[in-house]
Amino acid sequence: AQKITQTQPGMFVQEKEAVTLDCTYDTSDQSYGLFWYKQPSSGEMIFLIYQGSYDEQNATEGRYSLNFQKARKSANLVISASQLGDSAMYFCAMREHNNAGNMLTFGGGTRLMVKP
Amino acid sequence: DSGVTQTPKHLITATGQRVTLRCSPRSGDLSVYWYQQSLDQGLQFLIQYYNGEERAKGNILERFSAQQFPDLHSELNLSSLELGDSALYFCASSVGGGTGNTIYFGEGSWLTVV
Repeated sequence: AQKITQTQPGMFVQEKEAVTLDCTYDTSDQSYGLFWYKQPSSGEMIFLIYQGSYDEQNATEGRYSLNFQKARKSANLVISASQLGDSAMYFCAMREHNNAGNMLTFGGGTRLMVKP
Repeated sequence: DSGVTQTPKHLITATGQRVTLRCSPRSGDLSVYWYQQSLDQGLQFLIQYYNGEERAKGNILERFSAQQFPDLHSELNLSSLELGDSALYFCASSVGGGTGNTIYFGEGSWLTVV
C-alpha cells in the first residue's frame, strides 16, 4: 500500500485565493513526522512546513498551514493568498520512527499553477 | 539556501561510464540521505548515512555505491551508467534521526546519460 497519497496531480488556483493540497498517509507507527516540500521548475526541493504526530495544534509557517486530521490520516497543505511564485510541484512526505533508518517517504506530488 | 551543497549541478556522460556526485551537509548535520528523482519513478530513497556509517538502504542499484567521510561529506558513485539512470539526484541532511528533525535538500545534481 502507498504510504503517502496525493490524489491531485494538478491544480489551478486564482492569484490571491487560498488553495488546499491533499495528502493522506498510512502508518502503524505512533511517532511520525509529516512534511511538505515545494519544488519549483528550477528543481530544488524547498522545505515548507512540518507537523509532528503528537502535535496538538496545526502547524503554520507564514502563508502555509497544515490541516492535520490524525484520525483520518490526512495532512493537507493550505496556502493562503496564492502568489504567482507559488506555481510549483508540492510534495507531501512522512518520516517514521524506524530502527532501520528515518528517511522520508514521498507522495507523487501535486503540480500547482497560479493564474494571474 | 538550505545549506546543503551538491556538486556538480549538471553532468552529461555516456553509457557505461562512471560518475561521482558530491555532497556537503549542513553544518552540524550528521545524517546524509541520497534520493533519485526520475519522471517514471518519482522520488526514490537510495541510501542514508549517519556519522560515517550506513544506516538504511532503499532502492539503490548494485552499480551504485556511496560513502560518508570523517568530515561528514558524502559521495554517491554511479557506475556502468545506463540511459535509465538519467535523473535528478538529491542529497539531503538532518541533524539526527528523530522523526521531528527536518531533512533539508540540496539543489540536486542533474545527470544525463547519453
